[in-house]
Amino acid sequence: GQNIDQPTEMTATEGAIVQINCTYQTSGFNGLFWYQQHAGEAPTFLSYNVLDGLEEKGRFSSFLSRSKGYSYLLLKELQMKDSASYLCAVTDKLIFGTGTRLQVFP
Amino acid sequence: SAVISQKPSRDICQRGTSLTIQCQVDSQVTMMFWYRQQPGQSLTLIATANQGSEATYESGFVIDKFPISRPNLTFSTLTVSNMSPEDSSIYLCSAEGPDTGELFFGEGSRLTVL
Repeated sequence: GQNIDQPTEMTATEGAIVQINCTYQTSGFNGLFWYQQHAGEAPTFLSYNVLDGLEEKGRFSSFLSRSKGYSYLLLKELQMKDSASYLCAVTDKLIFGTGTRLQVFP
Repeated sequence: SAVISQKPSRDICQRGTSLTIQCQVDSQVTMMFWYRQQPGQSLTLIATANQGSEATYESGFVIDKFPISRPNLTFSTLTVSNMSPEDSSIYLCSAEGPDTGELFFGEGSRLTVL
């Protein structure tokens, strides 16, 4: 079966660092995506991990451990505009997790 | 990258009717998918739209309720048949990019069934 878990909600303050975790159990695995979705908008791509380790892209980094079925998205220097839902998704068929709603406070 | 256009962007429909959502991609793509996103929830994969053959449906979704067409590599349609208020949702078309496997999304079609 397919099971992808994320925390439902998180809060943080502007300028801080937040880590959003994702654990997965899937029948197939080619890679793991992170998407950002603002309310009322379509999801937008943040990162894609195929191999174990950390991928850094500006203020956002994503980590993958295939043996543990675990990933996290790290957001640094948080800004108000980072308030959004963050979706973890696993291929080969792109199955999405429940999403984490992040609220950034001043 | 791929730019995806969906229409209608929103509609209000009566119970028992059907609505077809169109999805146009600005480049040829192999993989196209249809997702549903109910209020406050994440995305649920409905089906993979296969070019030249029947769509592949996920558990809980059937062809009679959600017929899908994929006549070529840039276009697909999803029909929501015999609608009920439970079908009120956002329906998203997506396509897989050719190089990285990144999934691009349309803006979604917000459907309200009265």
